[in-house]
Amino acid sequence: DQQVKQNSPSLSVQEGRISILNCDYTNSMFDYFLWYKKYPAEGPTFLISISSIKDKNEDGRFTVFLNKSAKHLSLHIVPSQPGDSAVYFCAASRSNFGNEKLTFGTGTRLTIIP
Amino acid sequence: SAVISQKPSRDICQRGTSLTIQCQVDSQVTMMFWYRQQPGQSLTLIATANQGSEATYESGFVIDKFPISRPNLTFSTLTVSNMSPEDSSIYLCSIAGGYEQPQHFGDGTRLSIL
Repeated sequence: DQQVKQNSPSLSVQEGRISILNCDYTNSMFDYFLWYKKYPAEGPTFLISISSIKDKNEDGRFTVFLNKSAKHLSLHIVPSQPGDSAVYFCAASRSNFGNEKLTFGTGTRLTIIP
Repeated sequence: SAVISQKPSRDICQRGTSLTIQCQVDSQVTMMFWYRQQPGQSLTLIATANQGSEATYESGFVIDKFPISRPNLTFSTLTVSNMSPEDSSIYLCSIAGGYEQPQHFGDGTRLSIL
């Protein structure tokens, strides 16, 4: 049972444009959501997170939007840069205390075209 | 953030053998996690390791197959026992964050079973 889903395995975006990565979840107990970026041969690197009490969180070029009623979140990257090419994982947990297990989606491979 | 070192970074093993993966952190952490990423799949939690207590395993993972040690607050090991080709995966350790702090990951161990 895949509780966190990323339905787009890959996405290609022109440099300078907006990249939008989507994630859906089914478990209504999830309370905290995170995005990680992963380069080959490296571990996932934390990008940005959002608590369920918010609907938007922004950090530089990265913005995460949460729609709790739709159980959907998205990551916006503006403007997209070649260094953003990586696999992006959406993750969810049942609390924001950092010691809860993370449930991951299957990832979206983002390619930024120069 | 803490520096997390995993050894080995990769290995090729014969079926039926066992391999122990080490995870070293440069600061004391209460909770460590072990995840597995099978080819083309999401990251899946194997177990949570607290210092001074038995690891807590997720459904589908058992101690006989994946014994874990946590001898102190900076170190943990995961053993993959009696390996088969289905165990070919990336194994990652992570450390718990605090309130609204994310988990941070090591670079992983890429394991191939022949």
